[in-house]
Parts: sequence; structure tokens; C-alpha cells
Amino acid sequence: AQSVTQPDIHITVSEGASLELRCNYSYGATPYLFWYVQSPGQGLQLLLKYFSGDTLVQGIKGFEAEFKRSQSSFNLRKPSVHWSDAAEYFCAVDTNAGKSTFGDGTTLTVKP
Amino acid sequence: KAGVTQTPRYLIKTRGQQVTLSCSPISGHRSVSWYQQTPGQGLQFLFEYFSETQRNKGNFPGRFSGRQFSNSRSEMNVSTLELGDSALYLCASSLAGEGTGELFFGEGSRLTVL
Repeated sequence: AQSVTQPDIHITVSEGASLELRCNYSYGATPYLFWYVQSPGQGLQLLLKYFSGDTLVQGIKGFEAEFKRSQSSFNLRKPSVHWSDAAEYFCAVDTNAGKSTFGDGTTLTVKP
Repeated sequence: KAGVTQTPRYLIKTRGQQVTLSCSPISGHRSVSWYQQTPGQGLQFLFEYFSETQRNKGNFPGRFSGRQFSNSRSEMNVSTLELGDSALYLCASSLAGEGTGELFFGEGSRLTVL
């Protein structure tokens, strides 16, 4: 069965600093990979997705992620964090239509 | 285009009662999935419906059930509520019949069981 690991439960960065959130997945083939963001009291919003092709994908709000097959990773990055980026971030894998497996999430705190 | 709408947003029940939650997907989306989100267990997949048929099911007891109507609206029901059922229940719809898996989430229904 597929699984997703987000090693960092909580990350704190200063506003303007760069950010990298880690995600590792376990699956035999190349899955569909996603990053979602959830603000308090809200549902999840898709940041970006990887299906195939270019391993560096761009998303909304200035986020990007890189798929590395050899490391089974799909890390999320942002060069300069804004206070409004404070939220919980989820990495997800979809290997069966309609069923996504989510990581436990990483909570991002942004210091002024 | 309207997003995914979930009702009610908040509800309080007592143990032993049952609850029905509703989800209206984005127009044109035929796949509807349900997830339970709790601080301890994270996001857990409940089930997914496509064209009125349950296509996938997670590892939840039979007290959790769902259905989808011909207009793609979906409901989930939890019977004989337990304290541990307190959670945010998220509905997500998807355009694809299969494959892409991109989910559009509603804001959730927050259930508190007393």
C-alpha cells in the first residue's frame, strides 16, 4: 500500500527566508503527487501537482516542488516566505482514482 | 464556478445518535470523496463515489456509510455515534473519471460528539 511521510511536524521560518518542506512517498510505480495547503478552519487547497514530465513543477503562491524518483521525494520549496503562508501543508499521493493518501502534515509558523 | 459546498458546517451530537452530512460538488464533477480529519489520525480516507457507485472504501467500520445521487451530490451518514467520531469531515470533488486525482475540497463539517 502507498504511504506518505512528512518528517517535519512543525517548522518555523522568518518572513523573507526560504522554505523547504519534505515529503517522501512509498509506492512501486510513479504516483501522482500533490501538495495541498490548509488554513485554520478551511478545507484544503491544491498548491501544485506532478503527473509526469518535468520534475520541477510550479504552483500557486510562488511555490514549487521537485520530484526525485531516486529518493522517492517530492519536496516543496518557496524562496521567500510571507506571513500569509503560515498554514498546514499536506503532501499526498494518488495511486487509485479517487483515493488519495495524505501525509500527517507540516505546520508552518512564520516569524515577523 | 461555485466550489464544493458542505452542510452543515458545525454540529453537535450525543453518543448513540446518528448524523448525516451533505456535500454538493463542483458542477460537472462526478467523483466525490470523503475524508475524516482529526489531530491524532490526520486525514483518513472514508470512501469515494463516482456516478452513484462506491468505487473506493477506506478502513472505517460499517457505521460510516455514504451515497451519491444522480446529480453527483453526496451524503455520508454515521450511525451510533462515538466520542471518537468527533472530527472535521471533508468532502472533495474531482473532475476526472480516473487518473489525475486532483481534489477540490469543501470547508468541511465539524462534528462534535458529546
